[in-house]
Amino acid sequence: TQLLEQSPQFLSIQEGENLTVYCNSSSVFSSLQWYRQEPGEGPVLLVTVVTGGEVKKLKRLTFQFGDARKDSSLHITAAQPGDTGLYLCAGMWRAGNMLTFGGGTRLMVKP
Amino acid sequence: DAGVTQSPTHLIKTRGQHVTLRCSPISGHKSVSWYQQVLGQGPQFIFQYYEKEERGRGNFPDRFSARQFPNYSSELNVNALLLGDSALYLCASSLEGGELNTEAFFGQGTRLTVV
Repeated sequence: TQLLEQSPQFLSIQEGENLTVYCNSSSVFSSLQWYRQEPGEGPVLLVTVVTGGEVKKLKRLTFQFGDARKDSSLHITAAQPGDTGLYLCAGMWRAGNMLTFGGGTRLMVKP
Repeated sequence: DAGVTQSPTHLIKTRGQHVTLRCSPISGHKSVSWYQQVLGQGPQFIFQYYEKEERGRGNFPDRFSARQFPNYSSELNVNALLLGDSALYLCASSLEGGELNTEAFFGQGTRLTVV
């Protein structure tokens, strides 16, 4: 069974602070996707990382895929209240597109 | 272009009843996957369909079934509902179903409450 563990589960910070969310597994994934989900809505895809060591940036968000493709991180610089939400990592580990999700990190950014 | 659409958005059912949830993928996408998201947890994979064939099944009981139609839309059926089936049911659409690293795009979900 492929499992993804996210940490921390909850994070409450002040506007302007930086934060990092981690996603770890004992399994090698072919790719890893990060999603953001608002209450009552479906997850919205932020980024897909495929190559070990890959780094992708999306404005103030920086995503990194571990060299061994077993872990990933999401770093947010100068967080804003609009960043509030549930951040989910999801790994794809074989052909087909079944995703294994982590438990999520619930982020609250206070003004 | 319309995104992934799911219906209904909310549903209340009684224990023991049957429910059918519907999903229309993004135009041109041939693969549909279903996920169950219990409150406070990440989504869990239920089924994947590609070109009307089941390509994958998660660890869910036989009370859960699904199918995909020629127009690539899909239905998820759950029989003999239990209180524990209460969750947000998500449909994800992908261009292909057999390729690695195909990105999945989610609908807004159907919130099912079993009472």
